Formats: sequence, C-alpha cells, structure tokens
Amino acid sequence: QQQVKQSPQSLIVQKGGISIINCAYENTAFDYFPWYQQFPGKGPALLIAIRPDVSEKKEGRFTISFNKSAKQFSLHIMDSQPGDSATYFCAAKQDRGSTLGRLYFGRGTQLTVWP
Amino acid sequence: GAVVSQHPSWVICKSGTSVKIECRSLDFQATTMFWYRQFPKQSLMLMATSNEGSKATYEQGVEKDKFLINHASLTLSTLTVTSAHPEDSSFYICSAATVTQYFGPGTRLLVL
Repeated sequence: QQQVKQSPQSLIVQKGGISIINCAYENTAFDYFPWYQQFPGKGPALLIAIRPDVSEKKEGRFTISFNKSAKQFSLHIMDSQPGDSATYFCAAKQDRGSTLGRLYFGRGTQLTVWP
Repeated sequence: GAVVSQHPSWVICKSGTSVKIECRSLDFQATTMFWYRQFPKQSLMLMATSNEGSKATYEQGVEKDKFLINHASLTLSTLTVTSAHPEDSSFYICSAATVTQYFGPGTRLLVL
C-alpha cells in the first residue's frame, strides 16, 4: 500500500512559470514531510521540509503548503528555471515515538522546464 | 555539512561475484543508515535499515543472505551483494540519518 501518493507523474512548465506537485498521506502519525530533488544518476538531495505545526514554509523559490485536515501537502516552485528540471519526491516519516525514522516516498514527479 | 559519500560510484562485475558498496557520513555521526534500490524512472525502494552495532532490519522481500549489511561504526555502513546476478543490476543509494536523512550520490551496479 502506497503510504504517500504523489501527482502528477510528469509535469512540463514553461520557464518563469509555477510548478506545483501534490502529495497526500493517510497515516496521521507522520510528523515530518520533506521534499527531495534528484538529478539523473545522482542521489536525492533535500530541498525543503515541513512539520505539521505550520501551514506553509518558504525557502527562496520553493514553498511547501501543508493542509493537516486534508492530509495533503504540495511543493510550489516559483519562477521555474530549466535548471529545476529534475525528479521530485515527496516523503513522510514519523519522528516522535519512532526509533527507525524510515521515510515513505511518493512515486516521484519528473519536472521539465522549457526555456 | 551533512555530506554522505558512496564508493564506488559505479561497478561492473561478472555474474556470481560479490560486490561491496561503502557508505560514509563525512562530517557527522549517523546512528542509523538506510539502503535503497532504485530502478529507472521509479521511486526509491527501501531495502534495509541499519543501526550501528546491531543487525540490519530488512524490508519484506529483501533477501538478507544476498544483501549483507554491516554498520561497524557511526560513519560507515557497507552493503555486499553476494553472488550477484543480472537482475541485481540497479542503482543503489544509501542515506545517513540524524533528524534528517542525507543521501549519498548512489552506486550504479551492472552485473554481466
């Protein structure tokens, strides 16, 4: 069973546009929600993360919006650039009350930004 | 900070041989390290979780006798693929965890 559902599978955005990727989860015990960016042949790199006590977190052009009641969170990339073309993974994990802290990943979104 | 390295970055081996992949946290100590496998255009699949000084916990369906994991110190974990076969060819990624998981650059394994 997929613990974290991610959409869309692929996304094409024009340079300067806004890229939006959505994720949903079921387990209300999750309390840490990171987004990772992965370029071909490389490992994932942490982009931005949020905890459920805030509804939004912004770092530069990247913003996470979090809706606790709907159990959804999304990544917004403002002013998308060709260099943002990569695969993005959302993830979730339970920090409190858990010793393993494993991440549950979405299936990924392949973003292409056209110049 | 928070750099994780993997060695080798790519390896080609003959079927039946064993391959060892190292994962190191370079500037922090990681109590827990994770090993993932990733097929092209797919998500990361967790293979096992290892804590320093104890046996690894394997995910369902992952053969522990085939994928040997050793976590001898707070900065080093190794994954050994024993008697590798072509179907083991994949991209293997480790991560080292404090509060956040930091990923290594991955190791591309090709078994001929």
